[in-house]
Amino acid sequence: AQSVTQLDSHVSVSEGTPVLLRCNYSSSYSPSLFWYVQHPNKGLQLLLKYTSAATLVKGINGFEAEFKKSETSFHLTKPSAHMSDAAEYFCVVRLTQGGSEKLVFGKGTKLTVNP
Amino acid sequence: GAGVSQSPSNKVTEKGKDVELRCDPISGHTALYWYRQSLGQGLEFLIYFQGNSAPDKSGLPSDRFSAERTGGSVSTLTIQRTQQEDSAVYLCASSPRQGNSPLHFGNGTRLTVT
Repeated sequence: AQSVTQLDSHVSVSEGTPVLLRCNYSSSYSPSLFWYVQHPNKGLQLLLKYTSAATLVKGINGFEAEFKKSETSFHLTKPSAHMSDAAEYFCVVRLTQGGSEKLVFGKGTKLTVNP
Repeated sequence: GAGVSQSPSNKVTEKGKDVELRCDPISGHTALYWYRQSLGQGLEFLIYFQGNSAPDKSGLPSDRFSAERTGGSVSTLTIQRTQQEDSAVYLCASSPRQGNSPLHFGNGTRLTVT
C-alpha cells in the first residue's frame, strides 16, 4: 500500500536559516507526490508536485523538494525561512486504485519560525 | 467565487442530532473529495466523486456518514446521530480531472459535537 511518513511532527527554525521537512514514501511504483501547506485558519494550498518529469521540483514561496528513489524520500527544503512560512506542511501521495483515486496525507509537520 | 466554497464555516450541534455540510466545487471540476481533519490526526479520506461514476465511499467511518453529489456539482455530507468523536474539520476539495491535477481545497467546516 502507498503511504507517506513525515518524520517530524514539529520543526523549529530561526528566521533566515534553512528549512528541512522530511518525508518518506512507500510505493510499489513511481508515485505522484505533493507537498501542501496549511496556514492557521486557512485552507490547504499546493506548494509543489512531483510527477516524474524532474527529480528536483520547485514550488511557490521559494520551496523545493527532491525526489530520491534510492532513499524513497521527498524532503521539502527552503534556503532561508521567513516568518510567514510558519504553518503546517503535509506530504501527500496520490493513490490510484480501481478507477478511484485519493490523496493519502502524512500526519503533518508544524513549522515554527523564530525571530 | 473562484474557489471551493464550504458552508457553514462552523457548526455546533448536540450529540445525537443530524448535520449537513455543503460543498460548492470550482465550476467545471469533475472530481470532488471529502476529507476529515482531526487534531493531531492529519487528513483522513472520506469519499470521492468523479463525474457520473459510482463514488468511492471506502473512507466513510460508519453508516452514519453519507454523501451526495447532485448534478455533478454541489455535494452534501450528512452525519446522522452525531457523536463527540465526529468533532473535526471537514474539508472538501475538487479537481478538473483524474491524473496529476492538484486538488483545490475549501476552508472547511469546523464541526463541534457537544
